[in-house]
Amino acid sequence: DAKTTQPTSMDCAEGRAANLPCNHSTISGNEYVYWYRQIHSQGPQYIIHGLKNNETNEMASLIITEDRKSSTLILPHATLRDTAVYYCIVRVWGTGANNLFFGTGTRLTVIP
Amino acid sequence: DAGITQSPRHKVTETGTPVTLRCHQTENHRYMYWYRQDPGHGLRLIHYSYGVKDTDKGEVSDGYSVSRSKTEDFLLTLESATSSQTSVYFCAISEAGTSGGDTQYFGPGTRLTVL
Repeated sequence: DAKTTQPTSMDCAEGRAANLPCNHSTISGNEYVYWYRQIHSQGPQYIIHGLKNNETNEMASLIITEDRKSSTLILPHATLRDTAVYYCIVRVWGTGANNLFFGTGTRLTVIP
Repeated sequence: DAGITQSPRHKVTETGTPVTLRCHQTENHRYMYWYRQDPGHGLRLIHYSYGVKDTDKGEVSDGYSVSRSKTEDFLLTLESATSSQTSVYFCAISEAGTSGGDTQYFGPGTRLTVL
């Protein structure tokens, strides 16, 4: 699975959009981009995933560049409860036996 | 949230004692996983299961065994606990191959301390 690069930490004002970038320049054509987050002491929480098209769900939007070498997770109206470590992961779809490589992620702090 | 529970949520034990952690799901998902999380290492896969009685090793399986006698339960056993196994253990489930894909959903975790 391709490796990803994320900033170590970011701050965002409450109510504003949080834009979390991820570089995955060695991504393969059959690898999906997944985003998870982990709030302190809790289990990782799935947020969203995509292949090449932009995706949106009730939690966030995922914007993937046309060359697929980078992506951005957007939390449209950040709240204090969104303070967490966010992980960008790339892996092949449907390979349930493969573990997820979480790396170090981005620590997002939402400021009142 | 996916129906995943882990028990116990916290445990303190002594070196050399056996320990069993339980993961229970109500989603009828085929795959189940055990991870450990340690500072500086992220999440590391210990063992996983792809069906009842079908299991395989992950990257840090030494010192651990697993069993899955029912779809809903996946047990992780430390035969003789060591201090290096002090960690937070997470169970995860997924259903590969369906329209939902193999997105993994995680349980709340078990904090294990081996003295």
